[in-house]
Amino acid sequence: DTGVSQDPRHKITKRGQNVTFRCDPISEHNRLYWYRQTLGQGPEFLTYFQNEAQLEKSRLLSDRFSAERPKGSFSTLEIQRTEQGDSAMYLCASSLVAGGPGDEQYFGPGTRLTVT
Amino acid sequence: AQKVTQAQTEISVVEKEDVTLDCVYETRDTTYYLFWYKQPPSGELVFLIRRNSFDEQNEISGRYSWNFQKSTSSFNFTITASQVVDSAVYFCALSGTYKYIFGTGTRLKVLA
Repeated sequence: DTGVSQDPRHKITKRGQNVTFRCDPISEHNRLYWYRQTLGQGPEFLTYFQNEAQLEKSRLLSDRFSAERPKGSFSTLEIQRTEQGDSAMYLCASSLVAGGPGDEQYFGPGTRLTVT
Repeated sequence: AQKVTQAQTEISVVEKEDVTLDCVYETRDTTYYLFWYKQPPSGELVFLIRRNSFDEQNEISGRYSWNFQKSTSSFNFTITASQVVDSAVYFCALSGTYKYIFGTGTRLKVLA
């Protein structure tokens, strides 16, 4: 039984470039979440999907950010025209619907983005 | 608005000491969930416990115990007889819908 996986684990990019991250959730999990964590802070919610539907987006998710989960399995998070302030750890989590909120989320190892 | 406060930024203890990590939360929801996660140096968040707002029973799991008190909006975490492997950042989180609101974390250093 594999956990949540994320690719790449590290990404260094120049300001203004576009980057895309991938998340593969635990196979039977139908909810998928993206969070961002900066140094010394807790993770901050960005967006979440139930199956292929994106149900909530944080105000943190500017127009330069887009997330997809086209077939309700893996998800991608794209950042266009990266800025130095985008440097952070991007975490993906998944959970299994069990009738309502409060399901524990299982996190992947994260993708560390550095924008130079 | 929902908020989680972990006032202790960093705690250092000597191995075998007991240590309590504090978590205070704010929410207007009547139904909500509280969580603790551990983030070791490797970086991956590890789920430790979930508690819903209707269950104020304390819980013990090995060396770990949790004290949930609605009257003070607190959900504190105690490690008994700490070990070096307990060194990590510990996060408390609150959920009323599906997303988590995390605190800023407490870095625990257990010295041999």
